[in-house]
Amino acid sequence: QKEVEQDPGPLSVPEGAIVSLNCTYSNSAFQYFMWYRQYSRKGPELLMYTYSSGNKEDGRFTAQVDKSSKYISLFIRDSQPSDSATYLCAVLYTGGFKTIFGAGTRLFVKA
Amino acid sequence: NAGVTQTPKFRVLKTGQSMTLLCAQDMNHEYMYWYRQDPGMGLRLIHYSVGEGTTAKGEVPDGYNVSRLKKQNFLLGLESAAPSQTSVYFCASRADGRSGNTIYFGEGSWLTVV
Repeated sequence: QKEVEQDPGPLSVPEGAIVSLNCTYSNSAFQYFMWYRQYSRKGPELLMYTYSSGNKEDGRFTAQVDKSSKYISLFIRDSQPSDSATYLCAVLYTGGFKTIFGAGTRLFVKA
Repeated sequence: NAGVTQTPKFRVLKTGQSMTLLCAQDMNHEYMYWYRQDPGMGLRLIHYSVGEGTTAKGEVPDGYNVSRLKKQNFLLGLESAAPSQTSVYFCASRADGRSGNTIYFGEGSWLTVV
């Protein structure tokens, strides 16, 4: 069983739609939860960062962690064509050296 | 504003040839990583280093070697390239846990082995 599972998509939505991206993880010891965004032919960049459970909001983006169900979510409101990218969830143990990534979900936002 | 720099960006190798990918970071980070990214497989960790002079195996280390002789550099070597090593390679770095957990990635190196 992979430590982080993520549906690779692709996911195609019209401009202005609310997008929901999700991951599940297997080990309850993970404490740090991240979302990275990767544009085509570029390296991933950190988008959102959450420690432990709860929600975190940044503009149109909301990251949510439910540790009881080992579920990570990223919501994008009023999606734009510029949001078209691959979104990777990632987890990390406290004091850990290795960040573990999901496979990434490819998102297309159509104008 | 360099961050993490990888060279070369593109390379075509013949089976059995050797090559080295160079990664340099200017953020004084302790931790450095080499990942490969393949369709449907996500980012898989090849090797990593938690400080100058140290290296450790990741998830898919076979066929690769690494060295971290200087804190700012992390080299990935392929001794005898195989077609299965055709991939996009990303170097990354991170400060130690006390200073933050964000990983910073390079732009990637596209390697084709024919």
